[in-house]
Amino acid sequence: QVQLVQSGAEVKKPGASVKVSCKASGYTFTGYYMHWVRQAPGQGLEWMGRINPNSGGTNYAQKFQGRVTMTRDTSISTAYMELSRLRSDDTAVYYCARGVGGLVIYWGQGTLVTVSS
Amino acid sequence: EIVLTQSPGTLSLSPGERATLSCRASQSVSSSYLAWYQQKPGQAPRLLIYGASSRATGIPDRFSGSGSGTDFTLTISRLEPEDFAVYYCQQYGSSPTTFGQGTRLEIK
Repeated sequence: QVQLVQSGAEVKKPGASVKVSCKASGYTFTGYYMHWVRQAPGQGLEWMGRINPNSGGTNYAQKFQGRVTMTRDTSISTAYMELSRLRSDDTAVYYCARGVGGLVIYWGQGTLVTVSS
Repeated sequence: EIVLTQSPGTLSLSPGERATLSCRASQSVSSSYLAWYQQKPGQAPRLLIYGASSRATGIPDRFSGSGSGTDFTLTISRLEPEDFAVYYCQQYGSSPTTFGQGTRLEIK
């Protein structure tokens, strides 16, 4: 069965960077886009961008352009999302999610990133 | 980008009642590429409906979706206790994909 297992919770100081991993199993990693979606405490869902694991090509939401980098390592079926220059309003749960085009079907368990001085 | 507005913000109903949730788009959603998700506290969202009206695998038939263009509806025919959650719509026909702000379905 499809599984997306994310790395553990992180606490970072403002201005730092965070890198979240997402290990995929149960399907052909290079066959489907991987999306990243975040959810601030008590708030809704916000799409950050996606990566094509086959080509490495990325599409980022304009809001995160210049601060987010999505990469992948096909040898270990793992996708990564790095967010730099963290601010307090980046505190959120970050999800990876397997997509068919823009439709998101399978979600990881989420990674809480807390930004605090 | 397409803005999705969900209404109502909160819906208070009793088990056994019918729930109707609305999602309105700021412009037409291409090819009815509209999805609905359910999210319970502490959990990731779960896909319920895609293509405006197709149920995802394993979703009970009390959930149904309808609509086209700019107006979409999620209907839960008879509420079960486990249906009380937050529901989000998403359009995935235009880039960037966008989500609505959510409707909280609570027990009356």
